[in-house]
Amino acid sequence: DQQVKQNSPSLSVQEGRISILNCDYTNSMFDYFLWYKKYPAEGPTFLISISSIKDKNEDGRFTVFLNKSAKHLSLHIVPSQPGDSAVYFCSLPSKLTFGKGITLSVRP
Amino acid sequence: GAVVSQHPSWVICKSGTSVKIECRSLDFQATTMFWYRQFPKQSLMLMATSNEGSKATYEQGVEKDKFLINHASLTLSTLTVTSAHPEDSSFYICSTPPQGWDNEQFFGPGTRLTVL
Repeated sequence: DQQVKQNSPSLSVQEGRISILNCDYTNSMFDYFLWYKKYPAEGPTFLISISSIKDKNEDGRFTVFLNKSAKHLSLHIVPSQPGDSAVYFCSLPSKLTFGKGITLSVRP
Repeated sequence: GAVVSQHPSWVICKSGTSVKIECRSLDFQATTMFWYRQFPKQSLMLMATSNEGSKATYEQGVEKDKFLINHASLTLSTLTVTSAHPEDSSFYICSTPPQGWDNEQFFGPGTRLTVL
């Protein structure tokens, strides 16, 4: 029973362009949704979150959109930078559930 | 935010040996810590929750006799992989429980275990 799905395992974008990372969830009973970023051989670090009562939260180059009717989250990074290359996980606070992650590669 | 450290950062051991991984909270007192495991190209999977002063809570399918968890103090939680086998090779990460208004978790840097 996978509560969080990140169906695209990888994404490659050109530096300066927009990166869009998607996440679908199956259970609507959450107050918050979170995105984490993880570099190889390191623990994840918190990136950005969104309350379930909002449909958008912006923090610098990072914006998370929430479509509750579609049970869909997306993380937008613009402009993308090579240092953004990492694995991105969407997370649900209940049962501390993480998606499989999306490997983002930003080409110089 | 909270600072969490892990030691060792990587370890290679022979099959059948036991390995202890330490997770320390450096700037706060942790009554609870979470232990995750991540296999290559897989998600973080919650293994267990360590509780200071009481037994750990294990997720379904995780062998409590194989993965011994001890929450010795408010700043130290340990995971011991007993009689390790190659299939236990993985990346082990500890974290704080969700905190703050946005339920953020603070993760340790992780420990890469390779069992030969």
